[in-house]
Amino acid sequence: DAGITQSPRHKVTETGTPVTLRCHQTENHRYMYWYRQDPGHGLRLIHYSYGVKDTDKGEVSDGYSVSRSKTEDFLLTLESATSSQTSVYFCAISGGTSGRVTDTQYFGPGTRLTVL
Amino acid sequence: SQQGEEDPQALSIQEGENATMNCSYKTSINNLQWYRQNSGRGLVHLILIRSNEREKHSGRLRVTLDTSKKSSSLLITASRAADTASYFCATGHGGSQGNLIFGKGTKLSVKP
Repeated sequence: DAGITQSPRHKVTETGTPVTLRCHQTENHRYMYWYRQDPGHGLRLIHYSYGVKDTDKGEVSDGYSVSRSKTEDFLLTLESATSSQTSVYFCAISGGTSGRVTDTQYFGPGTRLTVL
Repeated sequence: SQQGEEDPQALSIQEGENATMNCSYKTSINNLQWYRQNSGRGLVHLILIRSNEREKHSGRLRVTLDTSKKSSSLLITASRAADTASYFCATGHGGSQGNLIFGKGTKLSVKP
């Protein structure tokens, strides 16, 4: 899995609680991405980062925030979780150590989040 | 917004047969990629084809790209039970951030 870990791997939480998911990479890739995967929708981009402290919104960013204070960590926060955010969340990396954009993305194992 | 659309949504074949999956997209692309996802796992990159290429091979995989029709196909030859997975196409648009747009996937089942 290209040196990418996600934590936790599974989480059950209640509506209205804050939740933070962590993506950690040991590959020193510049670009990091958060996706959610839902039946019938495939993967949809939530937020991405193109460097430390540099982030931007994806297609489905409402209700989510991100932070990247170190190259290796990209955090996804649900400020107040809702049932519609029940999903499987994947982190991906790309760019290699050169920092140039490369097209291939490498994915973590995913976090299954259930919001009751 | 969804860019790639895979067809069929599900495919069931016998071991040893070939499997063909198709992907159609809407806007111009820089490249098109195929990923595999085994149940409960993350996606794994299989192959990338650039917009100026028409065909590419990797082992038992053959990908074609027809930019005039905005479509691509993934052929898996001599399929094995281990090929059972979901397959996604993803389009790259050459942007500075390397963002990809994924389709909804084809679920392939290879029966031994």
